[in-house]
Amino acid sequence: GEDVEQSLFLSVREGDSSVINCTYTDSSSTYLYWYKQEPGAGLQLLTYIFSNMDMKQDQRLTVLLNKKDKHLSLRIADTQTGDSAIYFCAESRGGADGLTFGKGTHLIIQP
Amino acid sequence: DSGVTQTPKHLITATGQRVTLRCSPRSGDLSVYWYQQSLDQGLQFLIQYYNGEERAKGNILERFSAQQFPDLHSELNLSSLELGDSALYFCASSVEGRPLHFGNGTRLTVT
Repeated sequence: GEDVEQSLFLSVREGDSSVINCTYTDSSSTYLYWYKQEPGAGLQLLTYIFSNMDMKQDQRLTVLLNKKDKHLSLRIADTQTGDSAIYFCAESRGGADGLTFGKGTHLIIQP
Repeated sequence: DSGVTQTPKHLITATGQRVTLRCSPRSGDLSVYWYQQSLDQGLQFLIQYYNGEERAKGNILERFSAQQFPDLHSELNLSSLELGDSALYFCASSVEGRPLHFGNGTRLTVT
Protein backbone atom coordinates (compact mmCIF):
# COMPACT_ATOMS: atom_id res chain seq x y z
CA GLY A 1 0.00 0.00 0.00
CA GLU A 2 0.90 3.67 -0.10
CA ASP A 3 3.41 4.97 2.43
CA VAL A 4 1.38 8.12 3.12
CA GLU A 5 -2.39 8.24 2.66
CA GLN A 6 -4.79 11.16 2.59
CA SER A 7 -8.36 11.71 1.52
CA LEU A 8 -8.54 13.34 -1.89
CA PHE A 9 -11.17 15.98 -1.10
CA LEU A 10 -12.50 17.95 1.87
CA SER A 11 -15.30 20.48 1.62
CA VAL A 12 -15.96 22.98 4.44
CA ARG A 13 -17.96 26.16 4.92
CA GLU A 14 -16.13 29.44 5.21
CA GLY A 15 -15.53 30.23 8.87
CA ASP A 16 -15.65 26.60 10.00
CA SER A 17 -12.62 24.55 11.02
CA SER A 18 -11.02 22.22 8.49
CA VAL A 19 -9.39 19.00 9.61
CA ILE A 20 -7.18 17.23 7.09
CA ASN A 21 -6.04 13.75 8.04
CA CYS A 22 -3.05 11.67 7.03
CA THR A 23 -1.77 8.22 7.88
CA TYR A 24 1.74 6.99 7.36
CA THR A 25 3.36 3.61 7.65
CA ASP A 26 6.99 4.14 8.62
CA SER A 27 7.42 4.24 12.38
CA SER A 28 10.97 5.52 11.93
CA SER A 29 9.73 8.80 10.45
CA THR A 30 11.52 11.62 12.18
CA TYR A 31 9.66 14.66 10.87
CA LEU A 32 6.17 15.00 9.45
CA TYR A 33 5.24 17.94 7.29
CA TRP A 34 2.30 19.79 5.84
CA TYR A 35 2.74 21.60 2.54
CA LYS A 36 0.20 23.76 0.71
CA GLN A 37 -0.02 24.03 -3.07
CA GLU A 38 -2.16 26.71 -4.67
CA PRO A 39 -3.11 26.45 -8.35
CA GLY A 40 -0.11 27.00 -10.60
CA ALA A 41 2.23 27.46 -7.67
CA GLY A 42 4.92 25.51 -5.91
CA LEU A 43 4.77 23.75 -2.57
CA GLN A 44 4.70 26.07 0.40
CA LEU A 45 5.89 24.68 3.73
CA LEU A 46 3.07 25.28 6.21
CA THR A 47 4.30 23.57 9.33
CA TYR A 48 6.09 20.48 10.56
CA ILE A 49 6.30 18.40 13.69
CA PHE A 50 9.09 16.31 15.13
CA SER A 51 8.11 12.73 15.83
CA ASN A 52 8.56 13.05 19.59
CA MET A 53 5.91 15.77 19.80
CA ASP A 54 2.13 15.33 20.10
CA MET A 55 0.94 18.74 19.07
CA LYS A 56 2.13 21.95 17.52
CA GLN A 57 0.16 25.16 17.16
CA ASP A 58 0.97 28.05 14.89
CA GLN A 59 -1.70 30.78 14.66
CA ARG A 60 -4.71 29.19 12.87
CA LEU A 61 -2.90 25.91 12.32
CA THR A 62 -2.83 23.01 14.77
CA VAL A 63 -0.96 19.79 14.03
CA LEU A 64 -1.76 16.66 16.02
CA LEU A 65 0.40 13.56 15.88
CA ASN A 66 -0.67 10.15 17.16
CA LYS A 67 2.50 8.14 16.81
CA LYS A 68 0.92 4.91 18.03
CA ASP A 69 -1.69 5.01 15.26
CA LYS A 70 0.70 6.72 12.77
CA HIS A 71 -1.91 9.41 12.26
CA LEU A 72 -1.27 13.07 11.56
CA SER A 73 -3.86 15.82 11.27
CA LEU A 74 -3.88 19.47 10.30
CA ARG A 75 -6.61 21.68 11.71
CA ILE A 76 -7.20 25.07 10.12
CA ALA A 77 -9.33 27.31 12.31
CA ASP A 78 -11.73 29.88 10.80
CA THR A 79 -11.20 28.60 7.25
CA GLN A 80 -11.05 31.37 4.65
CA THR A 81 -11.37 31.33 0.85
CA GLY A 82 -7.60 31.88 0.64
CA ASP A 83 -7.11 28.50 2.30
CA SER A 84 -8.46 26.80 -0.83
CA ALA A 85 -5.56 24.66 -2.07
CA ILE A 86 -4.14 21.15 -2.10
CA TYR A 87 -2.58 20.11 1.20
CA PHE A 88 0.16 17.52 1.19
CA CYS A 89 1.27 15.43 4.12
CA ALA A 90 4.87 14.23 3.93
CA GLU A 91 7.20 12.15 6.06
CA SER A 92 10.94 12.24 6.41
CA ARG A 93 12.98 9.37 7.66
CA GLY A 94 15.96 11.62 8.23
CA GLY A 95 19.31 11.06 6.59
CA ALA A 96 19.60 11.41 2.86
CA ASP A 97 16.18 10.30 1.65
CA GLY A 98 13.80 12.79 0.17
CA LEU A 99 10.35 13.31 1.58
CA THR A 100 7.57 10.82 0.86
CA PHE A 101 4.36 12.64 0.01
CA GLY A 102 0.72 11.69 0.13
CA LYS A 103 -1.42 12.33 -2.94
CA GLY A 104 -2.76 15.56 -1.44
CA THR A 105 -6.15 16.69 -0.12
CA HIS A 106 -8.07 19.26 -2.14
CA LEU A 107 -9.65 21.68 0.36
CA ILE A 108 -12.81 23.23 -1.08
CA ILE A 109 -14.34 26.22 0.67
CA GLN A 110 -18.08 26.78 0.42
CA PRO A 111 -19.38 30.32 0.94
CA ASP B 1 8.97 33.45 -1.82
CA SER B 2 10.85 30.29 -0.82
CA GLY B 3 14.20 31.53 -2.11
CA VAL B 4 14.52 28.57 -4.51
CA THR B 5 14.60 29.66 -8.16
CA GLN B 6 13.71 27.41 -11.06
CA THR B 7 14.01 28.16 -14.75
CA PRO B 8 12.34 28.03 -17.14
CA LYS B 9 8.77 28.21 -15.82
CA HIS B 10 7.34 26.51 -18.89
CA LEU B 11 8.89 24.28 -21.51
CA ILE B 12 7.22 22.79 -24.56
CA THR B 13 9.15 20.30 -26.63
CA ALA B 14 8.67 17.31 -28.90
CA THR B 15 9.09 13.62 -28.23
CA GLY B 16 12.65 12.40 -28.56
CA GLN B 17 14.14 15.74 -27.58
CA ARG B 18 16.37 16.63 -24.63
CA VAL B 19 15.84 19.46 -22.14
CA THR B 20 17.67 20.91 -19.16
CA LEU B 21 15.92 22.30 -16.10
CA ARG B 22 17.79 24.62 -13.79
CA CYS B 23 17.57 25.23 -10.06
CA SER B 24 19.24 27.72 -7.74
CA PRO B 25 18.89 26.73 -4.09
CA ARG B 26 18.36 29.05 -1.15
CA SER B 27 21.47 30.78 0.06
CA GLY B 28 23.30 28.48 2.46
CA ASP B 29 21.44 25.29 1.52
CA LEU B 30 23.79 22.51 0.45
CA SER B 31 21.12 19.91 -0.40
CA VAL B 32 19.12 20.01 -3.60
CA TYR B 33 16.25 17.65 -4.37
CA TRP B 34 14.32 17.04 -7.59
CA TYR B 35 10.70 15.92 -7.66
CA GLN B 36 8.28 15.11 -10.44
CA GLN B 37 4.58 15.88 -10.02
CA SER B 38 2.09 14.27 -12.35
CA LEU B 39 -1.65 13.68 -12.07
CA ASP B 40 -1.39 9.91 -11.92
CA GLN B 41 1.81 9.47 -9.89
CA GLY B 42 1.56 12.43 -7.52
CA LEU B 43 4.83 13.81 -6.15
CA GLN B 44 7.72 11.46 -6.83
CA PHE B 45 11.21 11.93 -5.43
CA LEU B 46 13.79 11.72 -8.20
CA ILE B 47 17.21 12.48 -6.80
CA GLN B 48 19.13 14.41 -4.14
CA TYR B 49 22.51 16.10 -4.22
CA TYR B 50 24.49 17.34 -1.27
CA ASN B 51 27.37 19.76 -1.81
CA GLY B 52 27.99 18.50 -5.32
CA GLU B 53 27.69 14.78 -4.62
CA GLU B 54 24.76 12.51 -5.38
CA ARG B 55 23.20 11.54 -2.04
CA ALA B 56 20.06 9.57 -2.76
CA LYS B 57 18.16 8.26 -5.74
CA GLY B 58 14.44 7.75 -5.99
CA ASN B 59 12.27 6.89 -8.98
CA ILE B 60 14.51 8.48 -11.56
CA LEU B 61 14.52 7.02 -15.05
CA GLU B 62 17.80 6.15 -16.77
CA ARG B 63 16.96 8.75 -19.42
CA PHE B 64 17.13 11.40 -16.72
CA SER B 65 20.26 12.68 -15.03
CA ALA B 66 21.18 15.50 -12.73
CA GLN B 67 24.19 17.26 -11.34
CA GLN B 68 25.04 19.89 -8.77
CA PHE B 69 27.74 22.39 -9.60
CA PRO B 70 30.38 23.99 -7.32
CA ASP B 71 28.19 27.10 -6.93
CA LEU B 72 25.47 24.66 -5.69
CA HIS B 73 23.01 25.25 -8.50
CA SER B 74 21.64 22.07 -10.01
CA GLU B 75 20.46 20.92 -13.40
CA LEU B 76 18.10 18.10 -14.29
CA ASN B 77 18.59 16.69 -17.78
CA LEU B 78 15.74 14.83 -19.42
CA SER B 79 16.48 13.03 -22.69
CA SER B 80 14.63 10.94 -25.28
CA LEU B 81 11.48 12.59 -24.02
CA GLU B 82 8.19 10.75 -24.12
CA LEU B 83 4.63 12.03 -23.83
CA GLY B 84 4.48 10.54 -20.32
CA ASP B 85 7.30 12.78 -19.16
CA SER B 86 4.95 15.76 -19.27
CA ALA B 87 4.75 16.92 -15.66
CA LEU B 88 5.69 19.60 -13.18
CA TYR B 89 9.29 19.27 -12.06
CA PHE B 90 10.12 20.76 -8.69
CA CYS B 91 13.42 21.53 -7.12
CA ALA B 92 13.77 21.88 -3.37
CA SER B 93 16.66 22.80 -1.14
CA SER B 94 17.46 22.45 2.53
CA VAL B 95 20.03 22.54 5.23
CA GLU B 96 20.57 18.89 6.15
CA GLY B 97 17.96 17.62 8.57
CA ARG B 98 15.78 20.70 8.15
CA PRO B 99 12.57 21.18 6.13
CA LEU B 100 12.67 21.32 2.35
CA HIS B 101 11.82 24.57 0.60
CA PHE B 102 10.41 24.22 -2.90
CA GLY B 103 10.69 26.33 -6.00
CA ASN B 104 7.67 27.14 -8.18
CA GLY B 105 8.48 24.35 -10.60
CA THR B 106 9.02 23.94 -14.32
CA ARG B 107 6.01 22.76 -16.30
CA LEU B 108 7.20 20.46 -19.07
CA THR B 109 4.88 19.63 -21.94
CA VAL B 110 6.01 16.99 -24.42
CA THR B 111 4.03 16.97 -27.67
